[in-house]
Amino acid sequence: DAGITQSPRHKVTETGTPVTLRCHQTENHRYMYWYRQDPGHGLRLIHYSYGVKDTDKGEVSDGYSVSRSKTEDFLLTLESATSSQTSVYFCAIRGGVSGELFFGEGSRLTVL
Amino acid sequence: GESVGLHLPTLSVQEGDNSIINCAYSNSASDYFIWYKQESGKGPQFIIDIRSNMDKRQGQRVTVLLNKTVKHLSLQIAATQPGDSAVYFCAETALYGGSQGNLIFGKGTKLSVKP
Repeated sequence: DAGITQSPRHKVTETGTPVTLRCHQTENHRYMYWYRQDPGHGLRLIHYSYGVKDTDKGEVSDGYSVSRSKTEDFLLTLESATSSQTSVYFCAIRGGVSGELFFGEGSRLTVL
Repeated sequence: GESVGLHLPTLSVQEGDNSIINCAYSNSASDYFIWYKQESGKGPQFIIDIRSNMDKRQGQRVTVLLNKTVKHLSLQIAATQPGDSAVYFCAETALYGGSQGNLIFGKGTKLSVKP
């Protein structure tokens, strides 16, 4: 157990509404990540953070923003959700000796 | 749990047989590789890793082989068990390159173990 909690685990929302997903870690890791997972695409990096208030874009960042105001929390926000953002979202932290990622249990988002 | 493997390559093996899952990686500058296992409804779970200065690494019932010449990675699972049924992903990164060690994931292979 890498001490990662994602919330909510499931959410259904409507197009155009804002959505925020939260990732909470208990082990004080510097690096945190948000991925989305879709059939046929595997895991794709949305945004990542390398410290408090330090974030950067990943491969599929359009339509998403992130914030990290304290070490333990990394928030992913969809300002105006679209149906193409229906996906399973995974938070990860970089831990371990070699920098492998440890993942949360995922947040399933459905945008109607 | 949700389905993440609707269009994945599938490997079906008999319980007790050995399994070999293959992965072609894309970046010749990648120097660190990881295999993950993902069970239905769960997040990916670290299995084993290997650095580019190695050709082979063994864990408990798993072995990873790296062929840098052809940019190929494989995961061998010995005496496959029903609990090994999952989707397996390879991931690559250049730890000392400009990618900040961010992992790039393959699309995955679904392993089904027949009892």
